[in-house]
Amino acid sequence: AQRVTQPEKLLSVFKGAPVELKCNYSYSGSPELFWYVQYSRQRLQLLLRHISRESIKGFTADLNKGETSFHLKKPFAQEEDSAMYYCALGGGSNYKLTFGKGTLLTVNP
Amino acid sequence: DGGITQSPKYLFRKEGQNVTLSCEQNLNHDAMYWYRQDPGQGLRLIYYSQIVNDFQKGDIAEGYSVSREKKESFPLTVTSAQKNPTAFYLCASSGWTAYNEQFFGPGTRLTVL
Repeated sequence: AQRVTQPEKLLSVFKGAPVELKCNYSYSGSPELFWYVQYSRQRLQLLLRHISRESIKGFTADLNKGETSFHLKKPFAQEEDSAMYYCALGGGSNYKLTFGKGTLLTVNP
Repeated sequence: DGGITQSPKYLFRKEGQNVTLSCEQNLNHDAMYWYRQDPGQGLRLIYYSQIVNDFQKGDIAEGYSVSREKKESFPLTVTSAQKNPTAFYLCASSGWTAYNEQFFGPGTRLTVL
């Protein structure tokens, strides 16, 4: 069974501070990990995926298979980063995703 | 902001009535999905479809039904058997290969009175 755990429901930081949103997963096969973001009054959208190893809006995430984690990091948070962030796990032949419960990030001025 | 559309944006129904939520996409995607989003629960998969005329139950399919008669359309019916239907419903679509991004619609907020 696939499972995604985001331990923090809420995370509040000040502008310019580093931010890390935690994501742990449980999956016996080869995982595909994603971060999706939902800004206020906007659609849920893909932020980044582990396979592309890219940095989007200053965010990075490294897949750590030993710790089964895919934490999202940004060295200097901006107010526009305030949003709901979901970690998602895919795998197997059906390509469906299992989402975590989400972390609401608030970046204070 | 086309791509994937959902209608209506808000829907009110009386308890005991079935209601159908619309989802249409013009992205030529093979796969379509329905999720339910509740505060503190994240997104939970209701049904998904890989190809036309085929669909599979997700994690919380009880009380819901779907059809996939056309590639572009994947309507969701919330039946009277769904015990707690008031929620925000999201539709998504994607290509049918690994690592494909899911594109989401704007959502429908259903309130059962």
